[in-house]
Amino acid sequence: DSGVTQTPKHLITATGQRVTLRCSPRSGDLSVYWYQQSLDQGLQFLIQYYNGEERAKGNILERFSAQQFPDLHSELNLSSLELGDSALYFCASSEQGSYNSPLHFGNGTRLTVT
Amino acid sequence: AQKVTQAQTEISVVEKEDVTLDCVYETRDTTYYLFWYKQPPSGELVFLIRRNSFDEQNEISGRYSWNFQKSTSSFNFTITASQVVDSAVYFCALSEADSSASKIIFGSGTRLSIRP
Repeated sequence: DSGVTQTPKHLITATGQRVTLRCSPRSGDLSVYWYQQSLDQGLQFLIQYYNGEERAKGNILERFSAQQFPDLHSELNLSSLELGDSALYFCASSEQGSYNSPLHFGNGTRLTVT
Repeated sequence: AQKVTQAQTEISVVEKEDVTLDCVYETRDTTYYLFWYKQPPSGELVFLIRRNSFDEQNEISGRYSWNFQKSTSSFNFTITASQVVDSAVYFCALSEADSSASKIIFGSGTRLSIRP
């Protein structure tokens, strides 16, 4: 058990809808990362937060947004969903969010857009 | 720009065989870290090892060993006497020291199947 908690485990929704994915980092970790894993794109970095502030941004669509709250949990909001957004979304955390910190991943949220 | 290439999409071997998973990376930075992660069929990603760019010593952990060669920009992973439980997708990853981009970039993964 990595200590990172993601909810929900599965989400099925329709195109055009909006969903929120939630992540609680490992105790003591200040940084949260979001990754999208799809069959054709592999593991794509979306965004990183450190202690409530955005630190790095990857290939995150404008329809997606995220935030990290004062209690360090994070939410990833996906709106105007398209079929292509169906994927496994991982949250990961690390202690300091620095380049040498290994990531500890949650079990992921599997999103299916129909 | 940073890039990680895992050219082997899938590998299938019989139990007890040795297998090496290749990882080649590209970076302009002189300071970076390399990682290996395992994703078993259950889906979670598990951290296996990290290596910094200044430490080219090979590492062995039980049946697992890692060979880091800066001259060829490779960080290969060998499983000795493979077991069925080693079946998983293995990802190599790279993180550069550039503080404006503290993201870890993953390769596309190698799916390893160990047949009994």
